[in-house]
Amino acid sequence: EAQVTQNPRYLITVTGKKLTVTCSQNMNHEYMSWYRQDPGLGLRQIYYSMNVEVTDKGDVPEGYKVSRKEKRNFPLILESPSPNQTSLYFCASKESSAYEQYFGPGTRLTVT
Amino acid sequence: GEDVEQSLFLSVREGDSSVINCTYTDSSSTYLYWYKQEPGAGLQLLTYIFSNMDMKQDQRLTVLLNKKDKHLSLRIADTQTGDSAIYFCAEGYDMRFGAGTRLTVKP
Repeated sequence: EAQVTQNPRYLITVTGKKLTVTCSQNMNHEYMSWYRQDPGLGLRQIYYSMNVEVTDKGDVPEGYKVSRKEKRNFPLILESPSPNQTSLYFCASKESSAYEQYFGPGTRLTVT
Repeated sequence: GEDVEQSLFLSVREGDSSVINCTYTDSSSTYLYWYKQEPGAGLQLLTYIFSNMDMKQDQRLTVLLNKKDKHLSLRIADTQTGDSAIYFCAEGYDMRFGAGTRLTVKP
């Protein structure tokens, strides 16, 4: 089944404790991206990647890192999480030439 | 940056039509989209329209695009309780999203 998977789905952590949210897609898509969803703000793009070893900042990259060593994986790294990073995070992927992005199920992160 | 704006809430009665509106600012956007998010789930592409189109109809869904006013709307005919969800308007290749409109359908 073609899908985007994220792990973990739920995470509660403390300020300053490094964490990684994994994202994997099995559709051989070149383009992958991370969004955060906050009430009243919709989805805002954190980082995106056009292909392996190519990553670019989105609208709200501060406090986040990403890597794209393999085509299928695009992990989101929070080196020193803070409470304002409490949010619902979505990973998405698509073919470079396509218009439709496929979204993962979301990761709900709480930073205390 | 460029903005995509939507009203946050819409409530309709079952069987009525729903119209969700969106305005955007990037006139160079080639694609405009409507995504649906059901409670506790990710986003699913509902429909899309290319910027050279004025209207697109897909079963109960009608998308209208007024490029001059940068206004996009989604009309859902014969709205059902299963249509209750958050609807996001988005534009462009990198998908800039609006805040989402929470549609509540009352029986």
